[in-house]
Amino acid sequence: GEDVEQSLFLSVREGDSSVINCTYTDSSSTYLYWYKQEPGAGLQLLTYIFSNMDMKQDQRLTVLLNKKDKHLSLRIADTQTGDSAIYFCAGPLYNQGGKLIFGQGTELSVKP
Amino acid sequence: DTEVTQTPKHLVMGMTNKKSLKCEQHMGHRAMYWYKQKAKKPPELMFVYSYEKLSINESVPSRFSPECPNSSLLNLHLHALQPEDSALYLCASSLGPFNEKLFFGSGTQLSVL
Repeated sequence: GEDVEQSLFLSVREGDSSVINCTYTDSSSTYLYWYKQEPGAGLQLLTYIFSNMDMKQDQRLTVLLNKKDKHLSLRIADTQTGDSAIYFCAGPLYNQGGKLIFGQGTELSVKP
Repeated sequence: DTEVTQTPKHLVMGMTNKKSLKCEQHMGHRAMYWYKQKAKKPPELMFVYSYEKLSINESVPSRFSPECPNSSLLNLHLHALQPEDSALYLCASSLGPFNEKLFFGSGTQLSVL
């Protein structure tokens, strides 16, 4: 089937790098997204990458895209306690009108 | 203004009540969405409005009734809900239907008693 998969938990120490991984099946996706959700809040668009790119860097965030393996990752450098949240990767399914499909979410816990 | 505003933030209702959730955006977006989210799960699409017309209904029970009075406003009318409908209800908008980025509101946390 067509879906987006993520590991459920990641725990890191403050100051370390975090890497959150995502695999997807719909190869027609033009954009792939990372959303962040803090407790009790809505989803915040963190960053996104266009499918013709391999990498995108935005301050502490680096997105890597491996189209051959259908693998997307989000690296957070110098992780802070404020980065503790659930991170969702998402991509559109164009055979369903572009409906956005979310991964299960990775809960990032940052310990001081 | 890059905000999607949802009211109320919290709502407790009985199974016989009628209530409405409201969502507003002033970004000129022409697509608006309702999602339902259970704790620590991904959001599930309920409805999509495109240019003020309902374009997608993900087989949502009729006790949920969406309304789009104009291009900036989206409502979700609730009637005779069940306890399993308790969840975070998120509104989102985008420039066009599933076009580019979705901007989410902070949600309404609904409890059905």
